[in-house]
Amino acid sequence: EPEVTQTPSHQVTQMGQEVILRCVPISNHLYFYWYRQILGQKVEFLVSFYNNEISEKSEIFDDQFSVERPDGSNFTLKIRSTKLEDSAMYFCASSGQELYNEQFFGPGTRLTVL
Amino acid sequence: GEDVEQSLFLSVREGDSSVINCTYTDSSSTYLYWYKQEPGAGLQLLTYIFSNMDMKQDQRLTVLLNKKDKHLSLRIADTQTGDSAIYFCAESHTNAGKSTFGDGTTLTVKP
Repeated sequence: EPEVTQTPSHQVTQMGQEVILRCVPISNHLYFYWYRQILGQKVEFLVSFYNNEISEKSEIFDDQFSVERPDGSNFTLKIRSTKLEDSAMYFCASSGQELYNEQFFGPGTRLTVL
Repeated sequence: GEDVEQSLFLSVREGDSSVINCTYTDSSSTYLYWYKQEPGAGLQLLTYIFSNMDMKQDQRLTVLLNKKDKHLSLRIADTQTGDSAIYFCAESHTNAGKSTFGDGTTLTVKP
């Protein structure tokens, strides 16, 4: 069964460093998303991406964040200068074009900023 | 903006039914979802319902939607210890739009 994969599963970084979180969406999907979940809190939408551009973003997704689909398979989230409060689980999701568009979630990357 | 609320904890005995409740504020919500998250794992879509439906049943799961009250519930029949997890209610407006999640309900199933 096709699935969304994410790497790494856990990333530890120093405050101020740049991190890139990687996702491989399901191959025939067209819509891509990043969500984050701070420990013990709800899952929050960050950004959606379609046709090589951002289609929607939340207030959380400020200038420190960027997304890219550098090739036909990967979808990345970059945080330019990490802050302590960026520590969270980051989930990638993708969906297709059907009438009901289930978002398939990856297993997440746990980011720890020290 | 959109808001989705859930009670935080529910504890039941194995074999009983569990009912997890959710309320949402946005009347234009079109798609309503229930996700399950086990410790350290990602989000697994359990079931969904369109806003023009009142009820959906899928094996042990029954989803009830009261659109007038903006209330959604998930009933798990014959709850098992393996059902212990966090259950998230979520909504979206369109079939490709963002999802707004509730805080999650931690279900504990006691043997």
